[in-house]
Amino acid sequence: AQSVTQPDIHITVSEGASLELRCNYSYGATPYLFWYVQSPGQGLQLLLKYFSGDTLVQGIKGFEAEFKRSQSSFNLRKPSVHWSDAAEYFCAVFYNQGGKLIFGQGTELSVKP
Amino acid sequence: DAGVTQSPTHLIKTRGQQVTLRCSPKSGHDTVSWYQQALGQGPQFIFQYYEEEERQRGNFPDRFSGHQFPNYSSELNVNALLLGDSALYLCASRKGQGSGGQYFGPGTRLTVT
Repeated sequence: AQSVTQPDIHITVSEGASLELRCNYSYGATPYLFWYVQSPGQGLQLLLKYFSGDTLVQGIKGFEAEFKRSQSSFNLRKPSVHWSDAAEYFCAVFYNQGGKLIFGQGTELSVKP
Repeated sequence: DAGVTQSPTHLIKTRGQQVTLRCSPKSGHDTVSWYQQALGQGPQFIFQYYEEEERQRGNFPDRFSGHQFPNYSSELNVNALLLGDSALYLCASRKGQGSGGQYFGPGTRLTVT
């Protein structure tokens, strides 16, 4: 069955430190992968997406993600975190047969001064 | 260029009542999907509309129904509300039926008392 796992429910990093949020997926075919960010009480904003080609994809707000097929992972990274990055982050895989996004449970990011 | 818009922003209903939520897709988009996001969870797919027809459906009861209009806007109806229906309801739009990134609206926060 298709699924997405985000192992870390909550992560705290210091402002200026690097960040990596983990995402593992289970999908039988070539996955279409996404990262979304959600601020409190808000909808989801698309950070980046992977369809094919270069396994390192760049997104908005200085984020990047690397697709590793052998590890079924699509981890999100940022070299230097800003206080405004505090939010909930969701990894998702597009299930082509169902025409839907399957989301992980999310990782809440806190940024300390 | 307006993004995805949803109305109302917040809604409070009583158990057993019926509710209608509305969504206008991003300009140029013709496919609308609805997701339910319970507190502390990732969004769950409810259904998708394309060409005014329900194309895909997630694991939700028939109390959840929808409609798409010729201008691509959509409604989500929920009958016989239960306490467990309290959630953030997100609308997402994209162009066509492919795997392109879906753009989300700000959501409607439904509280059932």
